Amino acid sequence: EIVMTQSPATLSVSPGERATLSCRASQSISSNLAWYQQKPGQAPSLLIYGASTRATGIPARFSGSGSGTEFTLTISSLQSEDFAVYYCQHYDNWPPGTFGQGTKLEIK
Amino acid sequence: QVQLQQSGPGLVRPSQTLSLTCAISGDSVSSNSVSWNWIRQSPSRGLEWLGRTYYRSKWYHDYAGSVKSRMTIIPDTSMNQFSLQLNSVTPEDTAVYYCARKVAGRTFDFWGQGTTVIVSS
Repeated sequence: EIVMTQSPATLSVSPGERATLSCRASQSISSNLAWYQQKPGQAPSLLIYGASTRATGIPARFSGSGSGTEFTLTISSLQSEDFAVYYCQHYDNWPPGTFGQGTKLEIK
Repeated sequence: QVQLQQSGPGLVRPSQTLSLTCAISGDSVSSNSVSWNWIRQSPSRGLEWLGRTYYRSKWYHDYAGSVKSRMTIIPDTSMNQFSLQLNSVTPEDTAVYYCARKVAGRTFDFWGQGTTVIVSS
């Protein structure tokens, strides 16, 4: 089973600044990676799929990059509504597509 | 716009069966380009995919190894919904359960609202 490792566990950033979140796969997953945002009491919401394609309605300040085993989610200028938990998930040779343990993005 | 509406009890006794239903609007449970999935989330296990059902001229089902012997997903074309049955539950099955749609070649794009299930006597 492919293990997804996210770092850091918690990231403190000020509004208006850039946030960079990392995700590493234990083996190559090509570009079969998604990023989700989860707010308290809500289901995860799809942000990025195919490592870099924004889902419908996702603002351009969210961008994804990477392939193989190393991936990054960048939020260019943090808005108040962006403070949440972010998960990466692979869907290479699916099922099962495993999720990372999450990065909590908090206000500095 | 696809919407998934979950229903089912929030408290299940140990050794009993957990049953949840996910009603679909804006798509069809028998669509041949998607799968319908159950995922759960707990502090100890994080987000964990449990299983899926999908239709490609006939019905297929896949289950995670951790629940394979106890889990059944049942599609219902008359009600356009699918259900989860998890037998012989223990407190370790306490979690928030989600249903979700997965597009072939992509990932989970629509999710239900989640159901908190507590396994306790």
